[in-house]
Amino acid sequence: SAVISQKPSRDICQRGTSLTIQCQVDSQVTMMFWYRQQPGQSLTLIATANQGSEATYESGFVIDKFPISRPNLTFSTLTVSNMSPEDSSIYLCSVGGTGGASVYGYTFGSGTRLTVV
Amino acid sequence: GENVEQHPSTLSVQEGDSAVIKCTYSDSASNYFPWYKQELGKRPQLIIDIRSNVGEKKDQRIAVTLNKTAKHFSLHITETQPEDSAVYFCAARETTDSWGKFQFGAGTQVVVTP
Repeated sequence: SAVISQKPSRDICQRGTSLTIQCQVDSQVTMMFWYRQQPGQSLTLIATANQGSEATYESGFVIDKFPISRPNLTFSTLTVSNMSPEDSSIYLCSVGGTGGASVYGYTFGSGTRLTVV
Repeated sequence: GENVEQHPSTLSVQEGDSAVIKCTYSDSASNYFPWYKQELGKRPQLIIDIRSNVGEKKDQRIAVTLNKTAKHFSLHITETQPEDSAVYFCAARETTDSWGKFQFGAGTQVVVTP
């Protein structure tokens, strides 16, 4: 299965600043996804990162707040902009169709634990 | 869109007993149903999945059953062990294509006590 490197693993940021999270995959993948997982909660899809076009955002998430880049088929970034304490969460990238337990399932990055103070 | 409900939210079992987690989904077009295990502080890991043309799938102590008519699917863990303690998430996706997006259930905290 694909190996995903996500960084940073954690960060503590001041409100009003921005943080860019990087996700690197060891193989080319068509689609990459960004999720948010608030403490004790489930996984919520933020957006789908498309190579060569703008990301597709889910309801409640906007590009100005969560700009995404996908410059090639192995890399994506998510920026959390103008942060507030409500943005404190775990952010995970994921890719699909890369094998492992099932060729249909997602593989997740290790996550970025963000704390905004 | 798809809505997935998962029950129970917490489940405590004695080591060696069985655990069952149930999920229901709303969109009859959904045809792929994975289960993820997330240990504390770690990423979700796919543990088993089932496609809509299959009613049951088993992998050692883990099994998943699917009832398409009733739109529900379940995870069964037999002979539970302490290392089965984790949060389990079910999910549904409309297509088996790897780029279909998932809707996740709320999660079940499983605690296996020795």
